[in-house]
Amino acid sequence: GDSVTQMEGPVTLSEEAFLTINCTYTATGYPSLFWYVQYPGEGLQLLLKATKADDKGSNKGFEATYRKETTSFHLEKGSVQVSDSAVYFCALREIQGAQKLVFGQGTRLTINP
Amino acid sequence: DTAVSQTPKYLVTQMGNDKSIKCEQNLGHDTMYWYKQDSKKFLKIMFSYNNKELIINETVPNRFSPKSPDKAHLNLHINSLELGDSAVYFCASSQAGRNTEAFFGQGTRLTVV
Repeated sequence: GDSVTQMEGPVTLSEEAFLTINCTYTATGYPSLFWYVQYPGEGLQLLLKATKADDKGSNKGFEATYRKETTSFHLEKGSVQVSDSAVYFCALREIQGAQKLVFGQGTRLTINP
Repeated sequence: DTAVSQTPKYLVTQMGNDKSIKCEQNLGHDTMYWYKQDSKKFLKIMFSYNNKELIINETVPNRFSPKSPDKAHLNLHINSLELGDSAVYFCASSQAGRNTEAFFGQGTRLTVV
């Protein structure tokens, strides 16, 4: 089946540092790709998405570009804040069958002031 | 207005008991899901319903039984609870389709003692 692999966490950065969280996928065809964020004690919230190759999703200063050549959807932010501390999940929606959402294992990000 | 709401938020119970978690969405979506998140934050889909019809039933013990009385509700009943059932359970909803994102509830933290 389709799968998503994220970089191992936890990731710890200082405020205003540049952030990259790597995400690669294995899938049949070209699925839609998503980044979700989970703040402590809360459910998952959609951060951004891209539905076709070369699309760039962006929100709240975060960006990710759908790269079909490298089957990747890396999350980036130019200057992180303490409030960005959370767990980040990369996901894809299968294009066949029940079209379920498949998640990566999550990457915990901690930003220190 | 909460889009996807689940109750209770916390559930502590003894081994062998039977418990239910309720979920409701007011987004008009036609598809609802149950996910289980373990202590390492890994998310795994358990069930999905589309228009009250079961479309995803992953390898889950048959002690877990979902019920969807209508499109807006998806409940999860668990019989004979075991220690290993302790986790956070998330309800989610979406419109069917390969490009759609899912909206998540706040989660129910189940602790079996």
